[in-house]
Amino acid sequence: DQQVKQNSPSLSVQEGRISILNCDYTNSMFDYFLWYKKYPAEGPTFLISISSIKDKNEDGRFTVFLNKSAKHLSLHIVPSQPGDSAVYFCAASAMEGTGKLIFGQGTTLQVKP
Amino acid sequence: NAGVTQTPKFQVLKTGQSMTLQCAQDMNHNSMYWYRQDPGMGLRLIYYSASEGTTDKGEVPNGYNVSRLNKREFSLRLESAAPSQTSVYFCASSPRTSGSYEQYFGPGTRLTVT
Repeated sequence: DQQVKQNSPSLSVQEGRISILNCDYTNSMFDYFLWYKKYPAEGPTFLISISSIKDKNEDGRFTVFLNKSAKHLSLHIVPSQPGDSAVYFCAASAMEGTGKLIFGQGTTLQVKP
Repeated sequence: NAGVTQTPKFQVLKTGQSMTLQCAQDMNHNSMYWYRQDPGMGLRLIYYSASEGTTDKGEVPNGYNVSRLNKREFSLRLESAAPSQTSVYFCASSPRTSGSYEQYFGPGTRLTVT
């Protein structure tokens, strides 16, 4: 039972355009959501997070949107750069629990020059 | 600060052999985690330690054991390796204090079991 799903295995965008990565979850107990970026042969790197009391969080070129009623979150990257090419994982957690993260399967983003 | 370090980086085992994956963090974090990453499956939690002195099972604990040696170190042991345990293993740590729930990952150990 996949509690966190990233339905798009891959995404290709042109440099300078917007990249939108999507993530859906099923467990209503999740109240904290994170995005990680992963380059080959490296560990995942924390990118941005959002708690369920907000519907938007912004950090430079990266913005995460949360739609609790739809159990959906998205990561927007504007403008996209070739260095953004990586695998992006969304993850969800219940803050009052043990801090365990449940990860989606990942989306491979390719930004073309 | 080295962050989260893992040893070894690569390992090849024969079926039935045992080994221990080492993980250490120098960020004074309370919680530590072990994940495995397989193609198309994201990262799955094997075991975690919410605080020094405690360990608990994650989603896929079978075939593994862990030891939280002290606040810095959290090791993962494979007692009798199987080909199904071929994977990339990541250790992570988290402060898990109010407002800071992010996990920080090591570079990974790529394990092949033949």
